Amino acid sequence: ETGVTQSPTHLIKTRGQQVTLRCSSQSGHNTVSWYQQALGQGPQFIFQYYREEENGRGNFPPRFSGLQFPNYSSELNVNALELDDSALYLCASSLVLAGTTEAFFGQGTRLTVV
Amino acid sequence: LAKTTQPISMDSYEGQEVNITCSHNNIATNDYITWYQQFPSQGPRFIIQGYKTKVTNEVASLFIPADRKSSTLSLPRVSLSDTAVYYCLVGDPGYSSASKIIFGSGTRLSIRP
Repeated sequence: ETGVTQSPTHLIKTRGQQVTLRCSSQSGHNTVSWYQQALGQGPQFIFQYYREEENGRGNFPPRFSGLQFPNYSSELNVNALELDDSALYLCASSLVLAGTTEAFFGQGTRLTVV
Repeated sequence: LAKTTQPISMDSYEGQEVNITCSHNNIATNDYITWYQQFPSQGPRFIIQGYKTKVTNEVASLFIPADRKSSTLSLPRVSLSDTAVYYCLVGDPGYSSASKIIFGSGTRLSIRP
């Protein structure tokens, strides 16, 4: 149990639709990162938020966007869904301190685009 | 960000010690080495982190030679429940670098009875 919860756990969407995934960070953590994990591959970094500001982005198009709220919960929004967006989406929260990169991951949201 | 190379897969048996080696030739001075474990359909779980020499916790040991260009995760007396994918990551944990946790392909460890 990491204290990071994601919702929903599973989701089916149609190509072209929009989706919002939610993440509740572990208490006290000020940083949240989102990852996309395709079947059989390692997680791919989408972006990170630190104190409600985007703090870096991976190689994902602008239709992937996010928000971090004052209570440090977070959303991942994906517009104009494509079939290749089908994946496990992971949220990770951490407290940025010098000397540690321990991140706590949620169970993920399994998104299927049909 | 330093790139890492690790074996695609490994097999072992219950009760054995398993060592997974990771290469990171371009590791930077401020980089730490971190290992995560992931079970199917679950998020990765932090195992251990180190900067140099040896680090040990209740589940694993991490050995880092003086040149820090490689590291070895050691799992003592593995059980079937250790079957998972193990990721080696290298990065600067400080906020100032804005470094992120970048995963490679990982090592798929299979433990047999």
